[in-house]
Amino acid sequence: AQSVTQLGSHVSVSEGALVLLRCNYSSSVPPYLFWYVQYPNQGLQLLLKYTTGATLVKGINGFEAEFKKSETSFHLTKPSAHMSDAAEYFCAVSPQGGKLIFGQGTELSVKP
Amino acid sequence: SQTIHQWPATLVQPVGSPLSLECTVEGTSNPNLYWYRQAAGRGLQLLFYSVGIGQISSEVPQNLSASRPQDRQFILSSKKLLLSDSGFYLCAWSMSGLLDTQYFGPGTRLTVL
Repeated sequence: AQSVTQLGSHVSVSEGALVLLRCNYSSSVPPYLFWYVQYPNQGLQLLLKYTTGATLVKGINGFEAEFKKSETSFHLTKPSAHMSDAAEYFCAVSPQGGKLIFGQGTELSVKP
Repeated sequence: SQTIHQWPATLVQPVGSPLSLECTVEGTSNPNLYWYRQAAGRGLQLLFYSVGIGQISSEVPQNLSASRPQDRQFILSSKKLLLSDSGFYLCAWSMSGLLDTQYFGPGTRLTVL
């Protein structure tokens, strides 16, 4: 069975600091991997996705993620946090293009 | 470009009352459509998905039902709401033939009192 684990339900960083949101997955077949962002009382917005090819994926708003097969990880990073990055972030896995399986989410707070 | 609409945006309903939430997609044909629920402090739970008109797959047995009367319309219903039905309901779509890359609507906040 496929699953996604997001380490840390809440992460707090200072403005300008590195953002690192952790995601590990388990999948019996090569996975497609996704990060979504959700601002308060809004729907989810796709940040980036990995399907095949280059393992470092760049997304919107300066975020990127790296697929590491040996570590079964797909951590999300951003070099410098902005106040506007405060939101909830969801990692998701799709087993070879099947339905999405979401992690529990990580709430990111950015301190001035 | 494609857009997805949900209404109403917020809804307060008494226990035992019926429910109808609507989702429509514009700018694409034969999309796959999804209903998710997000309870307070919890992740997303897939409730139903549909790959075509009249084709509904239920992921979790519950007090809700879904229907797809038209290609780009997806409706979530209940005959009698429970307190546990409160939550944030999200509709999403993906391109025909693909279940993975999903695009979400703005959501409906349902409070059952």
